Amino acid sequence: DIQMTQSPSSLSASVGDRVTITCRASQSISTYLNWYQQNPGKAPNLLISAASSLQSGVPSRFSGSGSGTDFTLTISSLQPEDFATYYCQQSYTTVSITFGQGTRLEIK
Amino acid sequence: EVQLVESGGGLIQPGGSLRLSCAASGFTVSSNYMSWVRQAPGKGLEWVSAIYSGGSTYYADSVKGRFTISRDNSKNTLYLQMNSLRAEDTAVYYCARGHGNILRFDYWGQGTLVTVSS
Repeated sequence: DIQMTQSPSSLSASVGDRVTITCRASQSISTYLNWYQQNPGKAPNLLISAASSLQSGVPSRFSGSGSGTDFTLTISSLQPEDFATYYCQQSYTTVSITFGQGTRLEIK
Repeated sequence: EVQLVESGGGLIQPGGSLRLSCAASGFTVSSNYMSWVRQAPGKGLEWVSAIYSGGSTYYADSVKGRFTISRDNSKNTLYLQMNSLRAEDTAVYYCARGHGNILRFDYWGQGTLVTVSS
C-alpha cells in the first residue's frame, strides 16, 4: 500500500496567518492527490483535487501544489472557519485508497 | 441534488454482524465508484472498501474476509455487510462517491456509528 505522511500532526496559528501543511507519499503518485477538511462531528469535505484543482465553492485562500511524492496545502490568510482537521488522500491506486493521518489546525 | 444517507449502525457484541445501508439520490450508484470510509473515535480516516461501476470489489486488509460491499441497483443503495465484528471496528462509517479521472470523494454521507462492545 502507498503510505501517506502528513506534517505537522497539529498546528497552532492565528487568524490571518499563512499556513502550510505537507503530505508525502511513499512512492510517486503523480498528481493523484486530494485534500479534505473535516470539522468535528461532520463528514469530510473535498477542498482540492488532483493536487491543485480548487473545488467549486472553496475559498481562493486555499491552494494546493506538488507532484510525485511531495505535496502542500496552503491557506493564505486563516479565517475562523478554517480551524479544522485536514487530510490528504491518494487515488493513484483506487483498489487501495489511503489517507494521511490528518493535521489538526488549532487557534493559537 | 446529490445526497447520501447512511443507516444501520448501532451497538453490537464482538463476533456479531451488522449491515450498513447508504441510500443515494441525485445520481446512480451503479454508475459510480462507491466506497466506505471509517473513522474510529478520535482517529483519522480509514478507507474500508470500494465497488466499481463494473462490480469489482476491493477491501482493506483489516476487513478482508469479514466485510462485504454490495449494491442494489433497483434501490440505488450501497451496503456494507460486516461479520465477525471486533472492538477495533468501532467507528463512524461513511459512504462516499468517488468521481473523476483522478478519483476524489466528492460526496459523503453523514456517517453512522458502529460500536462493538460487550
